[in-house]
Amino acid sequence: EVQLVESGGGLVQPGGSLRLSCAASGFTFSSYSMNWLRQAPGKGLEWVSYISGSSSAIYYADSVKGRFTISRDNARNSVYLQMSSLRAEDTAIYYCARDAAMEFSGVVAAYWYFDLWGRGTLVTVSS
Amino acid sequence: EIVLTQSPGTLSLSPGERATLSCRASQSVTSTYLAWYQQKPGQAPRLLIYGASSRAAGIPDRFSGSGSGTDFTLTISRLEPEDFAVYSCQQYGSSPLTFGGGTKVEIK
Repeated sequence: EVQLVESGGGLVQPGGSLRLSCAASGFTFSSYSMNWLRQAPGKGLEWVSYISGSSSAIYYADSVKGRFTISRDNARNSVYLQMSSLRAEDTAIYYCARDAAMEFSGVVAAYWYFDLWGRGTLVTVSS
Repeated sequence: EIVLTQSPGTLSLSPGERATLSCRASQSVTSTYLAWYQQKPGQAPRLLIYGASSRAAGIPDRFSGSGSGTDFTLTISRLEPEDFAVYSCQQYGSSPLTFGGGTKVEIK
């Protein structure tokens, strides 16, 4: 089955750290760019970070730059989001999502819309 | 940054009725790079439409998208029970990517 499953969310104090994981199955993971997005309570979706299939291209939203780090392990079909210096405004459901473009021969490709999502994992930053 | 405003916030309709959802952009969206997603509580968001009017794989033809420039519309021709959900638009023509706040389609 083609799916993404996030894990690692939880309650963390302001200034703390958390590492999210997303396990992929059912498709050639290394051929797709992956993204993290989030949705704060009562708000719209927000794109957080992008990583290309070979990890050669990485981007972050300004709101998380310098605090979050995205990475992936193609041998484990997983993508990660290391979050540090967490703030109350980082409280959200975090989703991993696959970019709709398939990469070929390691050439970075992205359409920047997302054709496969996980169910999300909740991160709550509170004292 | 392009701000996407969705209206109405909530749409109360009965199964079988037609739903028309609006997504208005603060600036013109490059090359109709606009997508629509469906969200249900506890489920993974689902891509419905990309390129403003192209249906994603496996999406029923009762879902259709239209528009260009700053005004886009998602139409559900006849609502099925499983269509009651939140719908969000996303523009991907300009950085940063942005999403609308969503329209909830609820059972009347």
